[in-house]
Amino acid sequence: GAGVSQSPRYKVAKRGQDVALRCDPISGHVSLFWYQQALGQGPEFLTYFQNEAQLDKSGLPSDRFFAERPEGSVSTLKIQRTQQEDSAVYLCASSLDYSPNYGYTFGSGTRLTVV
Amino acid sequence: TQLLEQSPQFLSIQEGENLTVYCNSSSVFSSLQWYRQEPGEGPVLLVTVVTGGEVKKLKRLTFQFGDARKDSSLHITAAQTGDTGLYLCAGGVPYGGATNKLIFGTGTLLAVQP
Repeated sequence: GAGVSQSPRYKVAKRGQDVALRCDPISGHVSLFWYQQALGQGPEFLTYFQNEAQLDKSGLPSDRFFAERPEGSVSTLKIQRTQQEDSAVYLCASSLDYSPNYGYTFGSGTRLTVV
Repeated sequence: TQLLEQSPQFLSIQEGENLTVYCNSSSVFSSLQWYRQEPGEGPVLLVTVVTGGEVKKLKRLTFQFGDARKDSSLHITAAQTGDTGLYLCAGGVPYGGATNKLIFGTGTLLAVQP
């Protein structure tokens, strides 16, 4: 596709439920990032992939968060045993280059609400 | 932890007014980018500045990167209602030479009233 596609757009989960968020980056983009954004705040870094390798997962809040990109294209962010503090918008971004200097293309995000 | 602070946090102005948004840090960045985000959408890149002291103009928007590459400003001339949105600065952070990521600022919510 022409842009970064994320699904679902909205997800309501009961506390304790597992969820999986999908990201389809722009074809050929080497770098893929996941960010978490609270309402009205700047996105916070979660994890970074270069092709299929997860090179930085320093932003993942706990071991309940897991991300993968097995074939270097589509990525999935999984949250196990969701808690209310996990409620946020999860943004995926991709970039053609390894350097952040060229900017990212973001998807529209998945809004997760844990009830 | 590298932190980018933006000011002001909120700004409500009338159409036609000028405004400046500031992005400050104690850390040096490889680049500084500005994004605009509308409700329900992801951030959209406006500009990237990579050289200390660099100034870039994009129609009514002027972006400046500080000489020491720790801060930046965004100036909008004659604001229009279409400029309404969340403005985000982001610093490029080299990480051990193997990974790179953007650290985002705290955000400035701009509302331009007709």
